[in-house]
Amino acid sequence: EPEVTQTPSHQVTQMGQEVILRCVPISNHLYFYWYRQILGQKVEFLVSFYNNEISEKSEIFDDQFSVERPDGSNFTLKIRSTKLEDSAMYFCASRDGTGKEKLFFGSGTQLSVL
Amino acid sequence: GQNIDQPTEMTATEGAIVQINCTYQTSGFNGLFWYQQHAGEAPTFLSYNVLDGLEEKGRFSSFLSRSKGYSYLLLKELQMKDSASYLCAVRDMGAAGNKLTFGGGTRVLVKP
Repeated sequence: EPEVTQTPSHQVTQMGQEVILRCVPISNHLYFYWYRQILGQKVEFLVSFYNNEISEKSEIFDDQFSVERPDGSNFTLKIRSTKLEDSAMYFCASRDGTGKEKLFFGSGTQLSVL
Repeated sequence: GQNIDQPTEMTATEGAIVQINCTYQTSGFNGLFWYQQHAGEAPTFLSYNVLDGLEEKGRFSSFLSRSKGYSYLLLKELQMKDSASYLCAVRDMGAAGNKLTFGGGTRVLVKP
């Protein structure tokens, strides 16, 4: 089965630093998402992206966050100035927009902000 | 907004059946999903219901009642590898993104 791939699997950064989390969605998919999961808590929606623009974002996704699809394959999440509370597992997901439209999740990037 | 409730934890014996309930309130329902998540891993798709009734897929079945805002996931012939969190998620008919909103998950522990 095709996969969503994410890099890196782990990222450690200092508070205030910028991080970029990278994702390669499944190639024929049209809708892209970022979710996060703080340890022991639920999976939370951050942002959805379709047709080269943000289609919806949550209140978590403030001005410190941005997304980009710089080419036909990559989808990135940038956190401009990380805070301790940004420490979480970040999941990228994609779907094709047809049929059951289930989300395929990547294996996640564990971000630790020190 | 959406509110999704499911039990925090359940324990069952290998070979038995477990039913995980999920209740939801949403302004624009457009489908309910169940995902399995092992610790430290990504959620993986189990089932999808958009119409009332039962969807069966091997050892797993999922039921939906839209009028009651209720779903359950039924796991039969439990195996040790079924020990995981099971996430109920509702799709919102709102924005073009059709995001999924997840419940807190039910951690299922299968004992020998």
